[in-house]
Amino acid sequence: GNSVTQMEGPVTLSEEAFLTINCTYTATGYPSLFWYVQYPGEGLQLLLKATKADDKGSNKGFEATYRKETTSFHLEKGSVQVSDSAVYFCALSAASNTGNQFYFGTGTSLTVIP
Amino acid sequence: EPEVTQTPSHQVTQMGQEVILRCVPISNHLYFYWYRQILGQKVEFLVSFYNNEISEKSEIFDDQFSVERPDGSNFTLKIRSTKLEDSAMYFCASSDSDRSSSYNSPLHFGNGTRLTVT
Repeated sequence: GNSVTQMEGPVTLSEEAFLTINCTYTATGYPSLFWYVQYPGEGLQLLLKATKADDKGSNKGFEATYRKETTSFHLEKGSVQVSDSAVYFCALSAASNTGNQFYFGTGTSLTVIP
Repeated sequence: EPEVTQTPSHQVTQMGQEVILRCVPISNHLYFYWYRQILGQKVEFLVSFYNNEISEKSEIFDDQFSVERPDGSNFTLKIRSTKLEDSAMYFCASSDSDRSSSYNSPLHFGNGTRLTVT
């Protein structure tokens, strides 16, 4: 079956620190991979995506590379800011006969302190 | 940028009461979804809806739940007789994918309705 496992939080970093949030997946077939971000009081927003092996998704300084050999899609940012404090969700999308089905990780809470 | 809107943002109800959660998906989207997130837990799939009918549903989506697209713009989730364990954040989402490229298109989420059952 399809599932996503991401590192548990919470994660607390100082401003300008390097961020890694690990995500691994299990999938039948060839899924697309996504990172969503949820700021306090808001819904899930797409942060970045990758649709095939070795693709790198990037946005707002965040990056993640689709690694088929390790079934991973780790989120990284070189220098975090206080405004990056949020919950981050790794997700995969697998095609089905009736549309795309999404599977989410449990979310990782990030707090960046000045 | 077009967005998915959900109302109300917070709903408090007593156990056994019916609730209707409302969503307005992005206007040109074809696929509609409901997810829920119990506090501190995973975002869980409830149901997907395409071409005016349910296309997939999870084990969570039992007979107490129903969805409708009553007027071509709104997409509603009804819980007939709420239980304490229905307390969660409910997210509506929509997608513009067609079946040929379905798994590449991201979901666009609303801000959610926090349902509290007392």
